Amino acid sequence: KQEVTQIPAALSVPEGENLVLNCSFTDSAIYNLQWFRQDPGKGLTSLLLIQSSQREQTSGRLNASLDKSSGRSTLYIAASQPGDSATYLCAVAEDYGQNFVFGPGTRLSVLP
Amino acid sequence: DGGITQSPKYLFRKEGQNVTLSCEQNLNHDAMYWYRQDPGQGLRLIYYSQIVNDFQKGDIAEGYSVSREKKESFPLTVTSAQKNPTAFYLCASSIGASPQPQHFGDGTRLSIL
Repeated sequence: KQEVTQIPAALSVPEGENLVLNCSFTDSAIYNLQWFRQDPGKGLTSLLLIQSSQREQTSGRLNASLDKSSGRSTLYIAASQPGDSATYLCAVAEDYGQNFVFGPGTRLSVLP
Repeated sequence: DGGITQSPKYLFRKEGQNVTLSCEQNLNHDAMYWYRQDPGQGLRLIYYSQIVNDFQKGDIAEGYSVSREKKESFPLTVTSAQKNPTAFYLCASSIGASPQPQHFGDGTRLSIL
């Protein structure tokens, strides 16, 4: 059964730092992987989706990489801002038609 | 603006009571999903529907029921059989079957009185 973990559970950094959030999954045979942002008391907002054939995706200051063979994905946030403070979740889908398996999230605080 | 609307934002349930959470979308998406989120855990799938008048159980369907009579609506009923219903409930939709990108509502927080 696919399991998704995210380390660290919480992270606090000063404004302006570049940072990396980690996502690990136990079964490397995935269809795609998605990164989400969740603000307190709100739903999830999709940030990036990486297909299994891709190595990375970029959107503005965000860059997500995927290493299927090692069962890992990283979300890189450049020049962090207080507005980036939120919980970041990753989710993997094992095949077309299979539902996403979500990680528990990393709670990020960017201090001004 | 297109999106997903969940209501109410906060809901309280008495012992032995069934409550229904509303989820409406105007994105013209075929698939809809209900998730439960507990502190420190990832989202867990309760039910999903890929087409009107059809739905499937997710990983934690016991104590819950759904209907999909209209494309834009996917209400979730938390029955009295669900012994630990306190959680944050999220509804999502996607243009096609998973694993297409999912769009989420703002959630309903359910508490026990």
